[in-house]
Amino acid sequence: DAKTTQPNSMESNEEEPVHLPCNHSTISGTDYIHWYRQLPSQGPEYVIHGLTSNVNNRMASLAIAEDRKSSTLILHRATLRDAAVYYCILRPMGSGTYKYIFGTGTRLKVLA
Amino acid sequence: DAGVIQSPRHEVTEMGQEVTLRCKPISGHNSLFWYRQTMMRGLELLIYFNNNVPIDDSGMPEDRFSAKMPNASFSTLKIQPSEPRDSAVYFCASSAWGREIADTQYFGPGTRLTVL
Repeated sequence: DAKTTQPNSMESNEEEPVHLPCNHSTISGTDYIHWYRQLPSQGPEYVIHGLTSNVNNRMASLAIAEDRKSSTLILHRATLRDAAVYYCILRPMGSGTYKYIFGTGTRLKVLA
Repeated sequence: DAGVIQSPRHEVTEMGQEVTLRCKPISGHNSLFWYRQTMMRGLELLIYFNNNVPIDDSGMPEDRFSAKMPNASFSTLKIQPSEPRDSAVYFCASSAWGREIADTQYFGPGTRLTVL
């Protein structure tokens, strides 16, 4: 299984953009890049996913490097409610390959 | 939709007792996952079902753990006998595998298990 590497923690000021990096140098051509986050005392929740092109949704943007060996989750204006652990996960496509491997993630602290 | 429902939310038991955790997936979802989260090991997949059939139980730590999915609306994770090292937060998740490109998993609120 391809692995991801993320910084253990990051800090951001409220109302400022946050860029959360993820390295996945062994990614294969059929791996989707998924991001989940886990708010305190809650289960993980889906944030965004992508394959090759950059993606935007109401929660965040996902920027994927041209070689796909890294990606960045972008929160455009961090709020205190965005304080969470953010997980970058590679999701292999194809039958029988449905395991999410959660790493240690990045703990984001948002300062008021 | 009510989301994934887990019960109980908190369970405190003594070593050697049987523990049963319950999960109701989102209506219409065909896949269900059981995870365990601890500080030491993070979030680990224990077992997952597709169309009520166990597909991969390689994450189940030992024979003391068992999981069933008798129908599309209900699953249980049982620990018998329980040990203090089983103390963790257990999450259930469901998804519409194969019907969404993202195969997004929707997690429940978790059951915090403490074995004394």
